[in-house]
Amino acid sequence: QKEVEQDPGPLSVPEGAIVSLNCTYSNSAFQYFMWYRQYSRKGPELLMYTYSSGNKEDGRFTAQVDKSSKYISLFIRDSQPSDSATYLCAMNRLTQGGSEKLVFGKGTKLTVNP
Amino acid sequence: GAVVSQHPSRVICKSGTSVKIECRSLDFQATTMFWYRQFPKQSLMLMATSNEGSKATYEQGVEKDKFLINHASLTLSTLTVTSAHPEDSSFYICSGKYGGGGGIQYFGAGTRLSVL
Repeated sequence: QKEVEQDPGPLSVPEGAIVSLNCTYSNSAFQYFMWYRQYSRKGPELLMYTYSSGNKEDGRFTAQVDKSSKYISLFIRDSQPSDSATYLCAMNRLTQGGSEKLVFGKGTKLTVNP
Repeated sequence: GAVVSQHPSRVICKSGTSVKIECRSLDFQATTMFWYRQFPKQSLMLMATSNEGSKATYEQGVEKDKFLINHASLTLSTLTVTSAHPEDSSFYICSGKYGGGGGIQYFGAGTRLSVL
């Protein structure tokens, strides 16, 4: 079983729709949970960052973490064509050597149609 | 958010040559920098972790003699792909870690390497 599972999509929605993106994970050692947005041929851009169960809101984006179910979500309200990108969930844990490692989901490709 | 600059954004080279990629944290000091590789339609794969002033830690299966990493200062790390071959063609992305434990990683824009 992979440490982090994310449905790659693709996901296509009309402009203004509410988008729900999800990841599940198997390792209880994950401490921090992030969502990155990656446009084609660019590096990932951090959208949201949280370390506790519950919701965190930032503008049109809401990140949700449920540690008991090992499930995280990103909601995008009033989606815009400019939101069209690949969304990567990422989780942070310590390695056996004591260094930190970021484990990524495969990414979900989102297209918002005008 | 913090800014990481990566250069060059695109490089095309002949097989057998070496290519150097630079990664700079512009407005913060990155004690740890990471190098990733990304194949088309796949997620990022960690290649190595580098700490300022010490040797890089490579992930299993990554050839340390082929991918040379230098982290000489708190704001600069370089990746040199030595004797590049077509199979090394890929998208290489660096990141710098901001803060201590649980520090967020900020990513560069990536370098697309094509080896002919």
